[in-house]
Amino acid sequence: DTGVSQNPRHKITKRGQNVTFRCDPISEHNRLYWYRQTLGQGPEFLTYFQNEAQLEKSRLLSDRFSAERPKGSFSTLEIQRTEQGDSAMYLCASRRDPGPYGYTFGSGTRLTVV
Amino acid sequence: SQQGEEDPQALSIQEGENATMNCSYKTSINNLQWYRQNSGRGLVHLILIRSNEREKHSGRLRVTLDTSKKSSSLLITASRAADTASYFCATAFYGGATNKLIFGTGTLLAVQP
Repeated sequence: DTGVSQNPRHKITKRGQNVTFRCDPISEHNRLYWYRQTLGQGPEFLTYFQNEAQLEKSRLLSDRFSAERPKGSFSTLEIQRTEQGDSAMYLCASRRDPGPYGYTFGSGTRLTVV
Repeated sequence: SQQGEEDPQALSIQEGENATMNCSYKTSINNLQWYRQNSGRGLVHLILIRSNEREKHSGRLRVTLDTSKKSSSLLITASRAADTASYFCATAFYGGATNKLIFGTGTLLAVQP
């Protein structure tokens, strides 16, 4: 069990560019979640996967955001045409389901849009 | 959107003292969880309490849950400088297509050595 891995740790991009983040969950966890966190706030839910199926998306996830989890393994979160308001920490978490288990979070990717 | 609110927003105590944080939420839940976050890092799961439980212990942590008041509290006993972090409560409701944690706004705990 090597934990949840997120890459990159930091990303600085110019407004209008596209960015992609990767999350490698714990291998036996079938649920994978993406959250966004801004300074001084709690994490806000973006989307989650059960294996490869994306089951729920927040209204926060505009059409510039897309997430995938091919073959139910790692996941990617892409933001197209980034805006300064996209600057935040993007957190990935996984857990086993079914069962009332806690989430295991990665260290996050901090995005800065300049 | 945030489901819960933690109280206080910030708390400063001396090492060895107890720290109590409260969380209120709005909707029905299946369970409530507490997480710790050190500055700029990911969240670490501390403890989970189910909706049919009233109290749970884990080491120096004690969590209570009052579903009639839609509130929970986290008590950290004999605090240490290493407990300095932000603490978040998160509620889980599993219904239909919904299966996610909703986080509160957090309490920033500072333990002075």
